[in-house]
Amino acid sequence: DTGVSQDPRHKITKRGQNVTFRCDPISEHNRLYWYRQTLGQGPEFLTYFQNEAQLEKSRLLSDRFSAERPKGSFSTLEIQRTEQGDSAMYLCASSSHLAGVDNEQFFGPGTRLTVL
Amino acid sequence: DAKTTQPPSMDCAEGRAANLPCNHSTISGNEYVYWYRQIHSQGPQYIIHGLKNNETNEMASLIITEDRKSSTLILPHATLRDTAVYYCIVRVAMDSSYKLIFGSGTRLLVRP
Repeated sequence: DTGVSQDPRHKITKRGQNVTFRCDPISEHNRLYWYRQTLGQGPEFLTYFQNEAQLEKSRLLSDRFSAERPKGSFSTLEIQRTEQGDSAMYLCASSSHLAGVDNEQFFGPGTRLTVL
Repeated sequence: DAKTTQPPSMDCAEGRAANLPCNHSTISGNEYVYWYRQIHSQGPQYIIHGLKNNETNEMASLIITEDRKSSTLILPHATLRDTAVYYCIVRVAMDSSYKLIFGSGTRLLVRP
């Protein structure tokens, strides 16, 4: 399967712990996005990378959140000192600049985080 | 800040057309309308997008009103596998790319 993959698919943690999620985009895609989806709501944009550069961050991304894409391939999203309000599905998407401006974002299956 | 408004739920009979409405009265002139759907426990899946003109692909048709304040997604012959949450989305430009601003979605139930 050559789609976007995310690991782990599920994560249960205790409040105050740190967690890290990984996203592997489609191999030729240089653009990578993170979204967050809470129960019953549509996804909300968090941040965007073009290659290794983080070009946009939502105000939803508090200072407890950090995202990296060190070699322009996979990305990690870390949440420090987790809070119960961080419980959500974290979705990763990728797209290719080669297809022009109108290209679609391909989403992975998401990582569901539960903070107890 | 959601830019789209959709009914929370709809249903239709299998084999009939499903018409999903969306209001986006504050959309700007260069912002596209996208539709994605999400089946339980999966990531959103792209369906179709458009700017001004009506669009059609193998999955659906998109009808955008002339004033661009609303649109309708049409699934011409709904099947049970089309049961999902359908999101009407405004695409907003940012540095070298764009972000998708999702609404709350319409839960479509296709009845046998």
